[in-house]
Amino acid sequence: TQLLEQSPQFLSIQEGENLTVYCNSSSVFSSLQWYRQEPGEGPVLLVTVVTGGEVKKLKRLTFQFGDARKDSSLHITAAQTGDTGLYLCAHRGSGTYKYIFGTGTRLKVLA
Amino acid sequence: NAGVTQTPKFQVLKTGQSMTLQCAQDMNHNSMYWYRQDPGMGLRLIYYSASEGTTDKGEVPNGYNVSRLNKREFSLRLESAAPSQTSVYFCASSEAGGANTEAFFGQGTRLTVV
Repeated sequence: TQLLEQSPQFLSIQEGENLTVYCNSSSVFSSLQWYRQEPGEGPVLLVTVVTGGEVKKLKRLTFQFGDARKDSSLHITAAQTGDTGLYLCAHRGSGTYKYIFGTGTRLKVLA
Repeated sequence: NAGVTQTPKFQVLKTGQSMTLQCAQDMNHNSMYWYRQDPGMGLRLIYYSASEGTTDKGEVPNGYNVSRLNKREFSLRLESAAPSQTSVYFCASSEAGGANTEAFFGQGTRLTVV
């Protein structure tokens, strides 16, 4: 099983601050996905990164795939209370159809 | 669109009782999944069904069984519930596609075994 380690596990910041969360593995991936899960809901896909070194932006969220395709990061600029939630990275095996999820980063943005 | 629907949303069981968690999707997806979510451990795959008629074990299958009833429905059964199975259970579905394919999740079932 390919292990996806996320850090930090918990993060509590004030509204308006910037933050970065990480997803790391010793394995090389063809792509990585990022999901956000709000309290009481299931995860929802934010983005998929597919090319080493790729940077994707989704409003105030910037996703980067490492050059070696072993890691990814999510940077949030000027965090808002609506960004509160659990952020999960994931990989789907192209031959097995299984989604393997990381350990998650729980973000709380305080007003 | 309903997407992925799970029932029940909440359940309390006594140790040794059995129950079935139901999941249905209306997106005509081939693949369906059951995960459990525990604090600090992300989502762990229990069983999955790559297509109708097939099921396979995931990372944590012990104590569970599944049935892919048809293309829409994928149920998870606990034959003899144990306190260690207290968790939030999520059903998901996806198209058959490649590594970039999105997974769609239900709202979860919060199960407590006492």
